[in-house]
Order: sequence, then C-alpha cells, then structure tokens
Amino acid sequence: EVQLVESGGGLVKPGGSLRLSCAASGFTFSSYSMNWVRQAPGKGLEWVSSISSSSSYIYYADSVKGRFTISRDNAKNSLYLQMNSLRAEDTAVYYCARDRSGSTFDYWGQGTLVTVSS
Amino acid sequence: DIQMTQSPSSLSASVGDRVTITCQASQDISNYLNWYQQKPGKAPKLLIYDASNLETGVPSRFSGSGSGTDFTFTISSLQPEDIATYYCQQYDNLPGFGPGTKVDIK
Repeated sequence: EVQLVESGGGLVKPGGSLRLSCAASGFTFSSYSMNWVRQAPGKGLEWVSSISSSSSYIYYADSVKGRFTISRDNAKNSLYLQMNSLRAEDTAVYYCARDRSGSTFDYWGQGTLVTVSS
Repeated sequence: DIQMTQSPSSLSASVGDRVTITCQASQDISNYLNWYQQKPGKAPKLLIYDASNLETGVPSRFSGSGSGTDFTFTISSLQPEDIATYYCQQYDNLPGFGPGTKVDIK
C-alpha cells in the first residue's frame, strides 16, 4: 500500500525557517517525481515545488522561489522541503504528492500544518 | 502562466441529480487536465486524468470531457458521499489548480 507521511510542521515566526519531511513507503520511491502542494486555511490548492526521480529537474512556484528548497534522499525514501524566510502567507497545510507521470498526483499524504505568526 | 477558472464556485443539488462543473484554461492545454475531489479535512483524491480517463477504483458516475481550453466534469447521479470540493488541474507547463467548486446537497 502506498503511504506518504509528512512531518515537521509547526508554529514559526515570520522570517524563520522550517524543514518538512515526507516519508514514502509501498512503492519504488526512486522511480517517481515528487511534489509539494499547499493549501492555506479555507483556500484552494497551490502547487509549490517538484523534483524528478533523480533530482535532476527541480521546479518552484514563483511565490516560493529563492526561499524554499526541495530535495530528496532515495536511500531513505524521503522527500524534504526546506523553507526559509517564512511569511504569514506561507501558512498552510503542506501535502507531499506522488507524480505518476506529467504532474498527475495519484497519491497524497495527510498533510502537515505550517503556521507563520508572531 | 496558465490561468484556470472554474464555474460555478459552489452549487447545491439533490441526491440523484446530474451535476456539471466547467473548467477553462487561459490557453490551449490539449488534454493535460486532471480532476480531484477533496473532502473536508482530507487530502485531495485523483478522480479523472488526461481530461477523460477514470482513475482506477473511482465510481463510473464520475466523468470528464474536453480538450484545448474548455473542460467539463460530470457526476451523473449525485450521492451523499460526493459532498466535497472539486478542483481541476492543468499540467501543460508547471502544474496549476483551478479555484475549486464546492458541491453540497440541497
């Protein structure tokens, strides 16, 4: 069974940093691109970042470019999102999602809440 | 950037009704369009991929159609468990989601 479990969310002050993790199981992690998608409270879905299976291709939404860094460790079946210079508008539930092909997200984690507030 | 719009933003329908949601892209995206269902407090779930293909395990009352810039998502007979918000998502370039359509029971 495919499972994606996010962790690392919490309360952080504006300008602070946080590192999210996503532990994957039930599939060959190293064969799939992975993504982070976020959802602000009461709002819609926003794609954040993607990373190819071998980390060769990395993309970011303009809203996080230069502040967030996506990475993965295929030996540990884990996906990461390093978030720096956090702003109030980064407050959201962050989901990791498996990319079956061409940005079709077929499995999602349960999400981890990041709150940026003083 | 490709902009996605959805209409309506919300709707109320009776059990058994046919429900239709439209999604429009700001430029031609061929059939690079997916539909997701999100229930309150839950992660999104893939229902339709490549505009018209039903994801494995998804009930056949859900369907999708369209290509280019105009797409349609249909629930042929609304069930109580279909109460959710539905999002279209394009993947012609960097992925992007529509604003969502909230569906509830009248």
